[in-house]
Amino acid sequence: EAGVVQSPRYKIIEKKQPVAFWCNPISGHNTLYWYLQNLGQGPELLIRYENEEAVDDSQLPKDRFSAERLKGVDSTLKIQPAELGDSAVYLCASSLESGFEYEQYFGPGTRLTVT
Amino acid sequence: QQQVKQSPQSLIVQKGGISIINCAYENTAFDYFPWYQQFPGKGPALLIAIRPDVSEKKEGRFTISFNKSAKQFSLHIMDSQPGDSATYFCAASKRNTGKLIFGQGTTLQVKP
Repeated sequence: EAGVVQSPRYKIIEKKQPVAFWCNPISGHNTLYWYLQNLGQGPELLIRYENEEAVDDSQLPKDRFSAERLKGVDSTLKIQPAELGDSAVYLCASSLESGFEYEQYFGPGTRLTVT
Repeated sequence: QQQVKQSPQSLIVQKGGISIINCAYENTAFDYFPWYQQFPGKGPALLIAIRPDVSEKKEGRFTISFNKSAKQFSLHIMDSQPGDSATYFCAASKRNTGKLIFGQGTTLQVKP
């Protein structure tokens, strides 16, 4: 079974430019998460989807970040415009359902460098 | 109150030794405590998890010890191997939220 797929794996952009990350969750997983991982830190949840609905986006900086999960499968996370402080790894995870009894499977992440 | 504090930041252990990583939390509503292992260039992967109704859980060489009154839990890696060299994260979550609060991570190096 294929794991969580993310692309691109690496992205270098100049500040003020837009950038988008794509995530394909494990087949059949209804819940999808986007996490931000700064260097030397643990992941921090940005947004959680149950099917197409964003059920927790309280940590998403909505002035510059946006996300969508059309048709309840793939998801895209966008930053516009990017700032130097956005340099980090953006992780996507999925689980069968929400709730602690459902293991979250993480993708390899997209490493963003903003210059 | 949402924080999970992890220590040490880094750890060096000889092959065959015991690696111990500690975490403390503040929010008594947390009721799920997983440990994740992360290799460079990879996403975190679930290693072992515990709920507060038990004080210890063992899976192979990995054991979680949980102290509810002290609001602390720890990961013990017995017979540590060079292949265990990775970054380990503890986390905590409240029932049905799906929101994991991660610790800061511990970089473990197991020397041959």
